[in-house]
Amino acid sequence: DAGVIQSPRHEVTEMGQEVTLRCKPISGHNSLFWYRQTMMRGLELLIYFNNNVPIDDSGMPEDRFSAKMPNASFSTLKIQPSEPRDSAVYFCASSFGLNNEQFFGPGTRLTVL
Amino acid sequence: KNQVEQSPQSLIILEGKNCTLQCNYTVSPFSNLRWYKQDTGRGPVSLTIMTFSENTKSNGRYTATLDADTKQSSLHITASQLSDSASYICVVSLGALNTGNQFYFGTGTSLTVIP
Repeated sequence: DAGVIQSPRHEVTEMGQEVTLRCKPISGHNSLFWYRQTMMRGLELLIYFNNNVPIDDSGMPEDRFSAKMPNASFSTLKIQPSEPRDSAVYFCASSFGLNNEQFFGPGTRLTVL
Repeated sequence: KNQVEQSPQSLIILEGKNCTLQCNYTVSPFSNLRWYKQDTGRGPVSLTIMTFSENTKSNGRYTATLDADTKQSSLHITASQLSDSASYICVVSLGALNTGNQFYFGTGTSLTVIP
């Protein structure tokens, strides 16, 4: 298995632009997690899905952030409009069940100018 | 308030030596506690997951302990190697049937192993 796949690996955009991050979980996993990591705040859980259904989005910082999981093999995290303070590394992780080992993707490094 | 605190913030040790990292938490009700290793520029990798009833779990040279009464966990690394240089993150999951899982993150311990 290729593991969790994220794209793009790097994204540089200007303030106000829409950003879409993509994630393909490991085949067979039914839980998917979106994280954000910065030097200042460390690792933060933004939202997670179980069986394609959002379970807890309390970590989503603002309405500018939205996430979808249209099927078991694909999820997106969208920021519209983006701001410089959104600059961070965004990780996607998947697991088989909420309480089991999570496997992280390589992350997307987002820079908003 | 649910919190996870890790210590030390950073640590430098000689190759071949042992070390212990600490994680104290106030999360309740407790569901499980995870230790992750994160190499620079990479995503975290799971080392151990422990539930309330487990007090020790090993993964190669990594051994995690859990004292649910004192709400403390430790990660012991035996015979350290240069490749152990990384950030180690403790994550505690709150378990509640009506609200689902919630996760609380420590800020990590940065370990540097020198030759």
